[in-house]
Amino acid sequence: GAVVSQHPSRVICKSGTSVKIECRSLDFQATTMFWYRQFPKQSLMLMATSNEGSKATYEQGVEKDKFLINHASLTLSTLTVTSAHPEDSSFYICSARSRGGEQYFGPGTRLTVT
Amino acid sequence: KQEVTQIPAALSVPEGENLVLNCSFTDSAIYNLQWFRQDPGKGLTSLLLIQSSQREQTSGRLNASLDKSSGRSTLYIAASQPGDSATYLCAATFGGAGTALIFGKGTTLSVSS
Repeated sequence: GAVVSQHPSRVICKSGTSVKIECRSLDFQATTMFWYRQFPKQSLMLMATSNEGSKATYEQGVEKDKFLINHASLTLSTLTVTSAHPEDSSFYICSARSRGGEQYFGPGTRLTVT
Repeated sequence: KQEVTQIPAALSVPEGENLVLNCSFTDSAIYNLQWFRQDPGKGLTSLLLIQSSQREQTSGRLNASLDKSSGRSTLYIAASQPGDSATYLCAATFGGAGTALIFGKGTTLSVSS
């Protein structure tokens, strides 16, 4: 089956610093990737839709200047959390959509901001 | 607003029991629906995908159904095992192939041996 990887799996950073998370589709091309955030014991909330070669579409309430998304190729999308604060601590998960319409999810990145 | 709801939030059953997890959605113009499994602190594992033109999908001990008219989907797990213990998420796409999944809050299943 299709595989999506995320790197890093865990990251701890200090408040005010920026963190970049990578999402890669390993064996298929994904014109669309999605970024989700999951708080403890909550479901996944869509943050933004990332289309290759164009600007990401952000959901209401998500600051585009704080969560920078770049989808430079058909296999890679990155999410950069800028000037991170403790309230940004969360589980970030990406997914990549195959041509068949099914979404394959990465293993997630646990971000802790101290 | 398009929403996906899962009831119950938690379920405990003894090993060997057959069980049904419920999912409801507000928009009958659904494109597809997926069931996922999530283990604590882990990512998502896709279990079954049902396109809007389908009524059910089966994989091993799992069977998922889709009823667009009533806005419901069920995930049937046969002969449950302790290894089935996890959170099961239902998610739907409404706007076509290019749109994101909208997730329910999940049902946390505990199967005791």
